[in-house]
Amino acid sequence: AQRVTQPEKLLSVFKGAPVELKCNYSYSGSPELFWYVQYSRQRLQLLLRHISRESIKGFTADLNKGETSFHLKKPFAQEEDSAMYYCALYGRRQLTFGSGTQLTVLP
Amino acid sequence: GAVVSQHPSWVICKSGTSVKIECRSLDFQATTMFWYRQFPKQSLMLMATSNEGSKATYEQGVEKDKFLINHASLTLSTLTVTSAHPEDSSFYICSAVKPGQGAAGDSLSGYEQYFGPGTRLTVT
Repeated sequence: AQRVTQPEKLLSVFKGAPVELKCNYSYSGSPELFWYVQYSRQRLQLLLRHISRESIKGFTADLNKGETSFHLKKPFAQEEDSAMYYCALYGRRQLTFGSGTQLTVLP
Repeated sequence: GAVVSQHPSWVICKSGTSVKIECRSLDFQATTMFWYRQFPKQSLMLMATSNEGSKATYEQGVEKDKFLINHASLTLSTLTVTSAHPEDSSFYICSAVKPGQGAAGDSLSGYEQYFGPGTRLTVT
């Protein structure tokens, strides 16, 4: 079975501080991992995917197969980053989501 | 762009009645759509995979006779909650897969999955 774990339901940081949202996964194969974001009153949207190795809105995430992790990081958080973040794994033709982390960036 | 719409955005119905929720891909054709259910402050749980022209694939624990899915065209999938009960009250979200430029197959890397805004169902 595939599983995604986000250990933190809530995370608060001050503006300008670094932020890291944790994600661990379980999958017997080569996974594809994603981070989705849901801003207040908006739909879920893709933030980034591990295969692209890209940085979106200053966020990056590195797949660590040894630790089975895909943590999302940003060196300097902004207030507009406040949102719900979901880590997701694609395998066996379905997307499995973590429970999500509500990030609040304080002024 | 790629836009997925859902209708209605919210609905209140009486226990025992049926409710139909539509999911449309507005500017692309989607051979595959997914239906999710989201409880308050919880994650999205996949209910079923809707494939155009064929029967939906339901996840374990999801009653296919209760949650009827029809994917009659490449731009429309419907979810009908039959004989709704208060415990069916939830936020239902659909997503549509837009074929990308990558290779087809089991990888999502060649595809984009776009989400609808969700439908809030309240059964009284």
